[in-house]
Amino acid sequence: GENVEQHPSTLSVQEGDSAVIKCTYSDSASNYFPWYKQELGKGPQLIIDIRSNVGEKKDQRIAVTLNKTAKHFSLHITETQPEDSAVYFCAASISNFGNEKLTFGTGTRLTIIP
Amino acid sequence: DAGVTQSPTHLIKTRGQHVTLRCSPISGHKSVSWYQQVLGQGPQFIFQYYEKEERGRGNFPDRFSARQFPNYSSELNVNALLLGDSALYLCASSSRGDEQFFGPGTRLTVL
Repeated sequence: GENVEQHPSTLSVQEGDSAVIKCTYSDSASNYFPWYKQELGKGPQLIIDIRSNVGEKKDQRIAVTLNKTAKHFSLHITETQPEDSAVYFCAASISNFGNEKLTFGTGTRLTIIP
Repeated sequence: DAGVTQSPTHLIKTRGQHVTLRCSPISGHKSVSWYQQVLGQGPQFIFQYYEKEERGRGNFPDRFSARQFPNYSSELNVNALLLGDSALYLCASSSRGDEQFFGPGTRLTVL
């Protein structure tokens, strides 16, 4: 089955600087790659996603890149703010309408230092 | 619009007991998935239901079962609870399957 590895496990960034979180996946059939933000005591919140027919996607301060050849995708957060502090999870799935199992990475705890 | 709702918020059970967790998806969403999140780890897939049919099952024992009702709400049942079942149980709903939106979860503690 699919295996998703995520690095780093913890990341501290000065406010205003950029943060990058990287994930690799094992199943070349995976074609959907979402990123979730989880704050303490809450469920994961979908913040951005990318499909395998796209190499890069951007939404304001957040961007995701995908390298299908290397089976690698990354989350980029620019101009970080204190409210960006949370645990971030990457995930991968095979988009097969009505049968999509998300396989998650182990998470990155991002701390923004004021 | 209301998001995914789950009940109860917290639950404490003892070993060997049975538990039922409930989920209401976002209005218009026909797919519901269940995940288990152990402290410090990413969510692990348990079940996916679409139009009341089981479409996927993760690597969990038969003590775990689920169903989806005609109004697309869902229940997760766990029998013969073990200490290791203590976790945050998350429900996610989707309209097209892959974009999954999570609820706040039910925190289950097994003593």
